[in-house]
Amino acid sequence: AQSVTQLDSHVSVSEGTPVLLRCNYSSSYSPSLFWYVQHPNKGLQLLLKYTSAATLVKGINGFEAEFKKSETSFHLTKPSAHMSDAAEYFCVVSVPQAGTALIFGKGTTLSVSS
Amino acid sequence: DGGITQSPKYLFRKEGQNVTLSCEQNLNHDAMYWYRQDPGQGLRLIYYSQIVNDFQKGDIAEGYSVSREKKESFPLTVTSAQKNPTAFYLCASTQGAGANVLTFGAGSRLTVL
Repeated sequence: AQSVTQLDSHVSVSEGTPVLLRCNYSSSYSPSLFWYVQHPNKGLQLLLKYTSAATLVKGINGFEAEFKKSETSFHLTKPSAHMSDAAEYFCVVSVPQAGTALIFGKGTTLSVSS
Repeated sequence: DGGITQSPKYLFRKEGQNVTLSCEQNLNHDAMYWYRQDPGQGLRLIYYSQIVNDFQKGDIAEGYSVSREKKESFPLTVTSAQKNPTAFYLCASTQGAGANVLTFGAGSRLTVL
């Protein structure tokens, strides 16, 4: 079965410090993986996606994620947090061969303090 | 600009009433989706449609209904059979089914009084 687990429901950082949001997945096939961001009472916006090309994926707003097949992980990072990064982040796995559309993680809320 | 428009943004409903949430897209996307979002539970798929006049149940379809009479429109009706309808509802679309990037609307927040 396919699944995605976001290891932290809430992460707090100070402005200017690194951000790490952790995501593990489970899949019998080669998955596509995505990170989306959601600001309060808004829709979701794509940050980045991995679709079997380069394992290090760069996204918008300085975020990047690395696909590690051996660890079944797709952690999201940013070198220096900004106040505007405060939002909810979702890790998503897509495995069309398994007949599923998209599977969303439960989300990680990122808080950024000044 | 192309995008997805959801309306209304906020909706209040009395118990026993049906309500319909609108979702319109001008992206010429083939597939459209409805998700329900509850705090701490991520997004759960209610219904999806890959072509006009066809739609499929998602993981939590009970108490909901949809139609897809036009490519650009995918309204969701929350019926009185839905036991706990208070939630944030998100509509999304993508060019095709499968591993494609979803474009989301801004959402509709439904509260049952």
